[in-house]
Amino acid sequence: SQKIEQNSEALNIQEGKTATLTCNYTNYSPAYLQWYRQDPGRGPVFLLLIRENEKEKRKERLKVTFDTTLKQSLFHITASQPADSATYLCALTSDSWGKLQFGAGTQVVVTP
Amino acid sequence: DSGVTQTPKHLITATGQRVTLRCSPRSGDLSVYWYQQSLDQGLQFLIHYYNGEERAKGNILERFSAQQFPDLHSELNLSSLELGDSALYFCASSFEGADNTEAFFGQGTRLTVV
Repeated sequence: SQKIEQNSEALNIQEGKTATLTCNYTNYSPAYLQWYRQDPGRGPVFLLLIRENEKEKRKERLKVTFDTTLKQSLFHITASQPADSATYLCALTSDSWGKLQFGAGTQVVVTP
Repeated sequence: DSGVTQTPKHLITATGQRVTLRCSPRSGDLSVYWYQQSLDQGLQFLIHYYNGEERAKGNILERFSAQQFPDLHSELNLSSLELGDSALYFCASSFEGADNTEAFFGQGTRLTVV
């Protein structure tokens, strides 16, 4: 069966450090992978999309890598700030249309 | 503000009842997705509509149904409600399929079944 796995343990990190999150998937052949941020009780907010032919993508302090051989994506938050505290979700589709499925997410807590 | 509007924001109802959740997508978006998020659970994909047609289905219960209307708004109908249906229900929209473009989420409808 198809699975999207993210580390269920919260990541506690000190302000200014780099947070690295992992997303592993099985039985998918995605052309795209997305990352979202979700705050408690609110809808997810899109952060980054990376295509299968892109090894790395950056947006401000965020960096995403995508390794289709390892079936893994890494999400980095550099120079982390307390405002970065949230749950981060990876998402991908099993086909070209619809069924955008999400991992369970990893909670990040940035302390001053 | 994502541009996706969900109503109502909160809903409290009794077991056995039926409710309708409404979603207005962003202007110009043709796809609407519905998700269920129970307490401390991940987002569970329910169903996807594109321009009025059902495109993909997740593990949606038979007691649940959805539709997308010609004006592209969507409704999720939940019937014979059980306590376990209490959850946040999110709607998301995108221009086409969400595989190659971002999905925009509404703020959700919090359903409490008592």
